[in-house]
Amino acid sequence: QKEVEQNSGPLSVPEGAIASLNCTYSDRGSQSFFWYRQYSGKSPELIMFIYSNGDKEDGRFTAQLNKASQYVSLLIRDSQPSDSATYLCALGGGTSYGKLTFGQGTILTVHP
Amino acid sequence: DAGVIQSPRHEVTEMGQEVTLRCKPISGHNSLFWYRQTMMRGLELLIYFNNNVPIDDSGMPEDRFSAKMPNASFSTLKIQPSEPRDSAVYFCASSSSGRSTDTQYFGPGTRLTVL
Repeated sequence: QKEVEQNSGPLSVPEGAIASLNCTYSDRGSQSFFWYRQYSGKSPELIMFIYSNGDKEDGRFTAQLNKASQYVSLLIRDSQPSDSATYLCALGGGTSYGKLTFGQGTILTVHP
Repeated sequence: DAGVIQSPRHEVTEMGQEVTLRCKPISGHNSLFWYRQTMMRGLELLIYFNNNVPIDDSGMPEDRFSAKMPNASFSTLKIQPSEPRDSAVYFCASSSSGRSTDTQYFGPGTRLTVL
């Protein structure tokens, strides 16, 4: 089993809809969870991080963490074409102190 | 803040040549990370430094790869000799202290093509 699993997509949603991106992980000791966005040909940029179980909201983005189920998700409300990118889930802590383990990423396409 | 700076942005070389990639982390950051990204393998951590000391190089693919951080503001990743399978985008990232809760900030990357 891979350490971090993401559905590679592509996930296609219409403009204005909610996009739901999911990530599961195997290391129960993971302590920090990050969502990065990467536009084609660009470097990853941080969108959100979450450390505690529950929801964390920032504008149109909501991160959800369930450590018991080893599951973290990112919801994007009112999706815009500019949200079209690859979304990378990353984990830190546990057995990987000091470094992040990235998933393969989910390609999101928001069509007008 | 200038962010993480990498050079060159693009590098095309022939198999067998030496390649050196350079990185300047964000000022004040104590941890530096080198990643490689390919379509097949995604984003892979090669090596990371904390306070200029290599902490984990388990991701370095083989002896052809080496990395140094002679001071807090500069790091190099060297491939010698280069091979076509080394073609990838190489990212450098830095964080403030290297704790697992720290955000890593990525540079623009170096796109390496080995012919």
